[in-house]
Amino acid sequence: GAGVSQSPRYKVAKRGQDVALRCDPISGHVSLFWYQQALGQGPEFLTYFQNEAQLDKSGLPSDRFFAERPEGSVSTLKIQRTQQEDSAVYLCASSPAGSGTQYFGPGTRLLVL
Amino acid sequence: DQQVKQNSPSLSVQEGRISILNCDYTNSMFDYFLWYKKYPAEGPTFLISISSIKDKNEDGRFTVFLNKSAKHLSLHIVPSQPGDSAVYFCAASRSFGNEKLTFGTGTRLTIIP
Repeated sequence: GAGVSQSPRYKVAKRGQDVALRCDPISGHVSLFWYQQALGQGPEFLTYFQNEAQLDKSGLPSDRFFAERPEGSVSTLKIQRTQQEDSAVYLCASSPAGSGTQYFGPGTRLLVL
Repeated sequence: DQQVKQNSPSLSVQEGRISILNCDYTNSMFDYFLWYKKYPAEGPTFLISISSIKDKNEDGRFTVFLNKSAKHLSLHIVPSQPGDSAVYFCAASRSFGNEKLTFGTGTRLTIIP
């Protein structure tokens, strides 16, 4: 079946520009996670949704980062006024109810110039 | 504070031999552990997991061992194959089911033909 998909796969933004990153989770997966992966590091947690409810946003680095999942399916991660330090790969993962295993999408590589 | 540590950034193993990847953690609240494999420009792919109530879990060529008293886990791959060349991430969560994952920094495994 279809896995987690993310778009765009690559995004180049000028400093100060707003960007929106999309995640389509596996159909029927209740939980959705966003992670940020810097070069040479492991993924770091940003935020977590259970259906449409954002249950944990403790990993969002600043108030410039905002995520939503209005209908409990597709999610968007928005970064306002991008800075160079926002350059990273943004990974989305989904998980079925009651499972500890998260399934990752291919990521969006963001480069802020 | 790195709660999940993979102290070997890289490892080279001859094809057909055993590959052993190690991971240490510091947070005693972690009780579910996973290994992911990552190829360049792709998202992490789930390999195998283990709950803290077990000390071993096996799936084909992959076996994960957990030593709770030492806060240590390892992934054994036997026999190693060229397609196993990738970056391997250890991850941990505080409970089974819908909890954020904390990742190590990864170990790059190279299988030498």
